[in-house]
Amino acid sequence: AQKITQTQPGMFVQEKEAVTLDCTYDTSDQSYGLFWYKQPSSGEMIFLIYQGSYDEQNATEGRYSLNFQKARKSANLVISASQLGDSAMYFCAMREGEWEYGNKLVFGAGTILRVKS
Amino acid sequence: DGGITQSPKYLFRKEGQNVTLSCEQNLNHDAMYWYRQDPGQGLRLIYYSQIVNDFQKGDIAEGYSVSREKKESFPLTVTSAQKNPTAFYLCASSRDRAQDYGYTFGSGTRLTVV
Repeated sequence: AQKITQTQPGMFVQEKEAVTLDCTYDTSDQSYGLFWYKQPSSGEMIFLIYQGSYDEQNATEGRYSLNFQKARKSANLVISASQLGDSAMYFCAMREGEWEYGNKLVFGAGTILRVKS
Repeated sequence: DGGITQSPKYLFRKEGQNVTLSCEQNLNHDAMYWYRQDPGQGLRLIYYSQIVNDFQKGDIAEGYSVSREKKESFPLTVTSAQKNPTAFYLCASSRDRAQDYGYTFGSGTRLTVV
């Protein structure tokens, strides 16, 4: 079974508008972490935002926020005021259990975002 | 500045050859990982290592081998047994209690079979 599901293969957004990238996850652990990474065409993976399963507040980092709905097992990324430089592949990932040496991250298939001018 | 260095950036392999991808980190991280990414797809775990001289298979280890003789280095060998090695390979590392940012990634190696 898929641990991380990103149902949107590709998205378009107009510059300066907000966009939501969907992510649902599947785990039976009580403690887990959810991450979003950005991958530009150059290939490097850029960490964007983290949400812990026990965090009561939705995580925010600048123009990025994570809409965490624990009961629905969703962790959607919201990008406000889109910029042309936001065009990239976006990955949702999950770490199950507490952080220990060698924790594995499981990644979704990704969503390609294109920002239009 | 600390980080992860992967080399080479591009690598071409002939059929039947073994090739080794380099991954070096100066972050003093204990855990290191190798992921494979195929076009338009997510990352799949090949191998990971929690400490020196120890490593575990990930989800797609067949046709690959690794070593971890030094904390800083985690090279990946793509053997001739790997039938479809053309892909983008990413190395990553993590520290204990890395609650807030997960992994640090290298810039990747793009391997092509010619």
